[in-house]
Amino acid sequence: DADVTQTPRNRITKTGKRIMLECSQTKGHDRMYWYRQDPGLGLRLIYYSFDVKDINKGEISDGYSVSRQAQAKFSLSLESAIPNQTALYFCATSDRIEGNEQFFGPGTRLTVL
Amino acid sequence: TQLLEQSPQFLSIQEGENLTVYCNSSSVFSSLQWYRQEPGEGPVLLVTVVTGGEVKKLKRLTFQFGDARKDSSLHITAAQPGDTGLYLCAGLGTYKYIFGTGTRLKVLA
Repeated sequence: DADVTQTPRNRITKTGKRIMLECSQTKGHDRMYWYRQDPGLGLRLIYYSFDVKDINKGEISDGYSVSRQAQAKFSLSLESAIPNQTALYFCATSDRIEGNEQFFGPGTRLTVL
Repeated sequence: TQLLEQSPQFLSIQEGENLTVYCNSSSVFSSLQWYRQEPGEGPVLLVTVVTGGEVKKLKRLTFQFGDARKDSSLHITAAQPGDTGLYLCAGLGTYKYIFGTGTRLKVLA
């Protein structure tokens, strides 16, 4: 089984709808991240969490919210989706040691019509 | 704001050729990582470099961290079709990673 899983893998929705993307990990890592990927822009950090009680905004948090339900679960919500939120979304985890590897999920392709 | 620019953005070469991908910033990073991403998957770590001037080799891939820890390069010798993918550099800033814009490599058989 995959260490970092994301659901759904693909989602098409309409402008104004509320969407939740979920991430689960079995690596036992404290740190979890949400990124979005757009062509030519690489990966941009939306939110990150260093433990269950710690949530931090990344560089592009506007229009998004997150919830860390447990050490293993980190969900990303779009309260009212808009077309420019169409992108590939990745969840990642890492342990507490600065600079260690991030482990990524397979991604969720979100299309907002 | 810390930024990492990668060049070239796209690269299409023949099998057996050599290539170099660059990752540049005006900011200093405490460490820098290179990832490779294949279609339908998340990025996978190739290497981490920590010391200015450090060189690491992974089979046909050579990674170098600039002396001032502001830039890095990835050199591939005798590229193979299996090297095809998106290459991303990531610098460790304050508690979080800054990713580069990516280089999409295609190696033709």
